[in-house]
Amino acid sequence: QAVVTQEPSLTVSPGGTVTLTCGSSTGAVTSGHYPYWLQQKPGQSPRTLIYNTNNKHSWTPARFSGSLLGGKAALTLSGAQPEDEADYYCLLSYSGARPIFGGGTKLTVL
Amino acid sequence: EVQLVESGGGLIQPGGSLRLSCAASGFIVSRNYMTWVRQAPGKGLEWVSVIYSGGSTYYADSVRGRFTLSRDNSNNILYLQMNSLRAEDTAVYYCAGGVSPLDYWGQGTLVTVSS
Repeated sequence: QAVVTQEPSLTVSPGGTVTLTCGSSTGAVTSGHYPYWLQQKPGQSPRTLIYNTNNKHSWTPARFSGSLLGGKAALTLSGAQPEDEADYYCLLSYSGARPIFGGGTKLTVL
Repeated sequence: EVQLVESGGGLIQPGGSLRLSCAASGFIVSRNYMTWVRQAPGKGLEWVSVIYSGGSTYYADSVRGRFTLSRDNSNNILYLQMNSLRAEDTAVYYCAGGVSPLDYWGQGTLVTVSS
């Protein structure tokens, strides 16, 4: 079974820019993995920010964007706000319709 | 407004069974992807199962053969039947769904497997 890797933790200054990445043990991440990015704040359910690499929901703040970068899926936060402090998870789809979550990145805004 | 409300969690002994429910409002379960995701205490998210609008179901290796996903189209409810429960199944179970599998999320229901 594939392993999906994320940075365990990252720190960004308020107003700053940070990129979270999501890699696959099977090789380069492509649009065919239909990357998702989810945000989870303490005590809350997750919510999906980005689906299928770079598509946003109506509730996704404009400062979040998704892309493919250097063989990985990437979530870029431009202009970080204190309320962006949260855990972020990526999800990649593989053959057999059994997607796999990454271990999550704890983002601190400090 | 779309709302997903899970229920059915609780404390169960190892080897026991539980059925989780996910009642949907604001969209039609049978016309959307519906997914279960779980999160063990203090841990990350784990994908559990999905049912497509056409009725196909898929399960994580960790639950295949023990968990069964089904729908009650008349009442717009998704079910997860969990049998042969193990301590490692202890988690908050979230229901999610939509045009893409994880558009909307419920608040979760806690399942604790312990003697």
